[in-house]
Amino acid sequence: GAVVSQHPSWVICKSGTSVKIECRSLDFQATTMFWYRQFPKQSLMLMATSNEGSKATYEQGVEKDKFLINHASLTLSTLTVTSAHPEDSSFYICSAPPVSGQPQHFGDGTRLSIL
Amino acid sequence: QKEVEQDPGPLSVPEGAIVSLNCTYSNSAFQYFMWYRQYSRKGPELLMYTYSSGNKEDGRFTAQVDKSSKYISLFIRDSQPSDSATYLCAPHPGGSEKLVFGKGTKLTVNP
Repeated sequence: GAVVSQHPSWVICKSGTSVKIECRSLDFQATTMFWYRQFPKQSLMLMATSNEGSKATYEQGVEKDKFLINHASLTLSTLTVTSAHPEDSSFYICSAPPVSGQPQHFGDGTRLSIL
Repeated sequence: QKEVEQDPGPLSVPEGAIVSLNCTYSNSAFQYFMWYRQYSRKGPELLMYTYSSGNKEDGRFTAQVDKSSKYISLFIRDSQPSDSATYLCAPHPGGSEKLVFGKGTKLTVNP
């Protein structure tokens, strides 16, 4: 089945650091990928839609200068949390549909802890 | 009214029980209905995927959609401790529209 891989799975860093998270589609090409954030005991909240070769589309209330998204190839999207602070600590998850309009497949998530 | 309503539980059942998980939705444009299972500290895993009204069965799992009442259900027969997870419903209109998730129901199956 379709596989989406995320890296790293867990990162701990100091406040003020920028952190890059990678999302790869391993056995299919993805023109669109999605980035979610999930706080403890809450559902997934869509942050942005990553579009290959063009700018990402951000959801209302998500700071585009804070959460930089790059979708440079059909198999890789990256999310960079710039100047991270403790309130950015969360579980970040990416997804992609193997075929447009088909169900999204999710990566295993990245646990980000900012000290 | 929220687009998708799901009772967050938690729901605790003994092993072997039949589990019923439910969601309601408000957008009549939804045509596809997904159920995802999420284990602790993992990404959601696609469990069931149905189109329009009707039933779909896959092993111990049955997904049911009633578009007239905007009600979707997931039944788990002979529940196992390994079914302990959070179950998320996600109706979708199709195309490139974003997914809308329910809050998720946390299920614990006790041995």
